[in-house]
Amino acid sequence: NAGVTQTPKFRVLKTGQSMTLLCAQDMNHEYMYWYRQDPGMGLRLIHYSVGEGTTAKGEVPDGYNVSRLKKQNFLLGLESAAPSQTSVYFCASSRLNEQFFGPGTRLTVL
Amino acid sequence: AQSVTQLGSHVSVSEGALVLLRCNYSSSVPPYLFWYVQYPNQGLQLLLKYTSAATLVKGINGFEAEFKKSETSFHLTKPSAHMSDAAEYFCAVSDLPDSGGSNYKLTFGKGTLLTVNP
Repeated sequence: NAGVTQTPKFRVLKTGQSMTLLCAQDMNHEYMYWYRQDPGMGLRLIHYSVGEGTTAKGEVPDGYNVSRLKKQNFLLGLESAAPSQTSVYFCASSRLNEQFFGPGTRLTVL
Repeated sequence: AQSVTQLGSHVSVSEGALVLLRCNYSSSVPPYLFWYVQYPNQGLQLLLKYTSAATLVKGINGFEAEFKKSETSFHLTKPSAHMSDAAEYFCAVSDLPDSGGSNYKLTFGKGTLLTVNP
């Protein structure tokens, strides 16, 4: 069992570029989440999904889009990256009330 | 909406000393509560969780936490700190699930960085 995996681990973008972060889980979980972690801010929920084909906004959704075409994958997209999106991004999946986290993607936007 | 307050963004203890990390939540309904640990450059790992079965919850690596409804607190403790405990610790509280579902979104505190001195 790989658990929750994230691709890529690191990425540097220029302002205005786009990219997609991939999250995959092999635990057959229905629920998946994208968070961002910034120093002194804890983790903040960007978007989440309660099942294949369904997504919803979290606390800080602006500037991000998501898709859940397959149950095991949850994609986070940045259409036009901004320096304010420099952060560490974590994906999680859950079984009932317990969330399992991926190792994170460190994104820098110049 | 839930909120979580972790008192002290940085706690420093000596090896062998008591570890106490504080967490208070705001809710009129006892929620699910969690402590997660994050080691440098890693993801979050669940330490322990409160799910109303018992107010004193034991977790991994010798940590435990006590749920006190009257104080809306869920403080994390460990009797004797080890160098390997140095990490950032996050308290989290779950919302009630969306109607008809079992999706429990989490609200995280801002984290407490634990330093252990030799």
